[in-house]
Amino acid sequence: DTGVSQDPRHKITKRGQNVTFRCDPISEHNRLYWYRQTLGQGPEFLTYFQNEAQLEKSRLLSDRFSAERPKGSFSTLEIQRTEQGDSAMYLCASSLARTEAFFGQGTRLTVV
Amino acid sequence: QQQVKQSPQSLIVQKGGISIINCAYENTAFDYFPWYQQFPGKGPALLIAIRPDVSEKKEGRFTISFNKSAKQFSLHIMDSQPGDSATYFCAASISNSGYALNFGKGTSLLVTP
Repeated sequence: DTGVSQDPRHKITKRGQNVTFRCDPISEHNRLYWYRQTLGQGPEFLTYFQNEAQLEKSRLLSDRFSAERPKGSFSTLEIQRTEQGDSAMYLCASSLARTEAFFGQGTRLTVV
Repeated sequence: QQQVKQSPQSLIVQKGGISIINCAYENTAFDYFPWYQQFPGKGPALLIAIRPDVSEKKEGRFTISFNKSAKQFSLHIMDSQPGDSATYFCAASISNSGYALNFGKGTSLLVTP
């Protein structure tokens, strides 16, 4: 499968715990995006990488959130001290410059 | 603040009918307007996209109509099929700021047999 891969698909965690999600983009894609989608809403942009450089961050990305893309390949999104409001689907997408973005299946996070 | 407003929230269409979903935006810097289809438990998948230098784009049963002066664009699904039942999102982005997508809230489409 050469699409965008996200791991895990589902994560249940207790409030206050840290969680980390991984995204493997389509191999030749230099752009990588993270979005958050809550039930009944459209995806909301969180952050964007071009190669290994994080070029844009939404104000939705509080200081409890951190994203990395070492070596411009896979990316991780970490949420520290999770809160119930963090429960959502976290989507990763990748693209080449000026082309369409392909989305992964997402990681559904439930904070209990 | 929702940068792209989408309507209706839900839509029921009979098989063979035309489904129409509308979106409006305010930011005139937007220059890329895609539509995504999402099935439950899946990530969004690109259906069709348009840039503001054209007023209409057609791909199979899907057509985007774009009105730059009104800052509106719409998706038409011709000959709607039960397999088209999904949630549809319009989006807009600015090409020189990385193409980060601003999504509408989505339209849940149900096509009845």
